[in-house]
Amino acid sequence: GAVVSQHPSRVICKSGTSVKIECRSLDFQATTMFWYRQFPKQSLMLMATSNEGSKATYEQGVEKDKFLINHASLTLSTLTVTSAHPEDSSFYICSAINRIQETQYFGPGTRLLVL
Amino acid sequence: AQSVTQLDSQVPVFEEAPVELRCNYSSSVSVYLFWYVQYPNQGLQLLLKYLSGSTLVKGINGFEAEFNKSQTSFHLRKPSVHISDTAEYFCAVSVRNNDMRFGAGTRLTVKP
Repeated sequence: GAVVSQHPSRVICKSGTSVKIECRSLDFQATTMFWYRQFPKQSLMLMATSNEGSKATYEQGVEKDKFLINHASLTLSTLTVTSAHPEDSSFYICSAINRIQETQYFGPGTRLLVL
Repeated sequence: AQSVTQLDSQVPVFEEAPVELRCNYSSSVSVYLFWYVQYPNQGLQLLLKYLSGSTLVKGINGFEAEFNKSQTSFHLRKPSVHISDTAEYFCAVSVRNNDMRFGAGTRLTVKP
């Protein structure tokens, strides 16, 4: 079964609103989680690395004030898209590292549509 | 930093034919290599991974890949494809299983 979940799986919102996406590791503790975005028919692009108990590390070109990441516990990281605009519409995917198994597990993704 | 190049954006093939999806990587340090499959409107599913050891890696659904350090390649192969193998395939590289860098993807289309 799935070891990393994301909620919601799909969200439609109005331009200017904020949207929170949750990423949970279901049966292991993840000190590190990653957030990716995928535009239609394109590859996954790493947005940021989320570290439990510390600030996230953002990739170049990703606005940290736009995409707020909170990794408050060993099983939960959240991505908040603030003041969303239509160009933020995308497929957002998280992943979590199980250090014991040396395996990175991906969530099923969240499709965001901003109208 | 590490990077991945998938040489073919689209690969059409007939059912029951063999297929090879090409992947080359670039890195100044040792890497881990992965192949993922993505079906429409779904997340990623791990096909196989190379961490160390045997250079021939067998994965799910009859896929296998061979790590070639001298050619910095990690090509994915299947001897006989099915219609259900039609999907997007991503090669990825990471250093010590940290953040992954993905290739642009290869769209495999299996025709009857």
